[in-house]
Amino acid sequence: GENVEQHPSTLSVQEGDSAVIKCTYSDSASNYFPWYKQELGKGPQLIIDIRSNVGEKKDQRIAVTLNKTAKHFSLHITETQPEDSAVYFCAATSGVFGNEKLTFGTGTRLTIIP
Amino acid sequence: EAQVTQNPRYLITVTGKKLTVTCSQNMNHEYMSWYRQDPGLGLRQIYYSMNVEVTDKGDVPEGYKVSRKEKRNFPLILESPSPNQTSLYFCASSALTTLNEQFFGPGTRLTVL
Repeated sequence: GENVEQHPSTLSVQEGDSAVIKCTYSDSASNYFPWYKQELGKGPQLIIDIRSNVGEKKDQRIAVTLNKTAKHFSLHITETQPEDSAVYFCAATSGVFGNEKLTFGTGTRLTIIP
Repeated sequence: EAQVTQNPRYLITVTGKKLTVTCSQNMNHEYMSWYRQDPGLGLRQIYYSMNVEVTDKGDVPEGYKVSRKEKRNFPLILESPSPNQTSLYFCASSALTTLNEQFFGPGTRLTVL
């Protein structure tokens, strides 16, 4: 089955700086890679995703890059703000419909230092 | 308001006492799923359902049962809970046409003594 590794497990950055979280996956058939943000006491919420036919996707301060050859994908947050503090999870899937069997990374606790 | 609800939010029980965690969504979603979250392990999928009466195992189904008799409900059943099932549980749902976005419930924190 799929295995997703996520690094680092914790990350502290100064407000205004950039944060990068990296994930690797094992199943070359995986074709969909979402990123979820989990705030304290809440369920995860999708923030951005990328499909295997795209190398990069951007949404305001958030971007995701995908290297299929190396089986790497990364989340980039620029101009970080205090509200970016949360736990972030990457995930990968190769389900027939695209998302029915998600495999998550172990999470990164991001702390933005004011 | 579109949402996924779970009950109870917190539960402390003892080994072997059957329990059910309910999950309900009001978005008419076909797909529903259960995950458990443990420190250092992230989120692991327990079971999922593509539609009424259709369920399938995730990565960690042992010790759990599910049923999908109605589209809106997807209860998680622990027939004989054990301490290693102490965890934070999340239910999620999604439309089949937009499986890329799963909506998660608020979580159920279960402690098995």
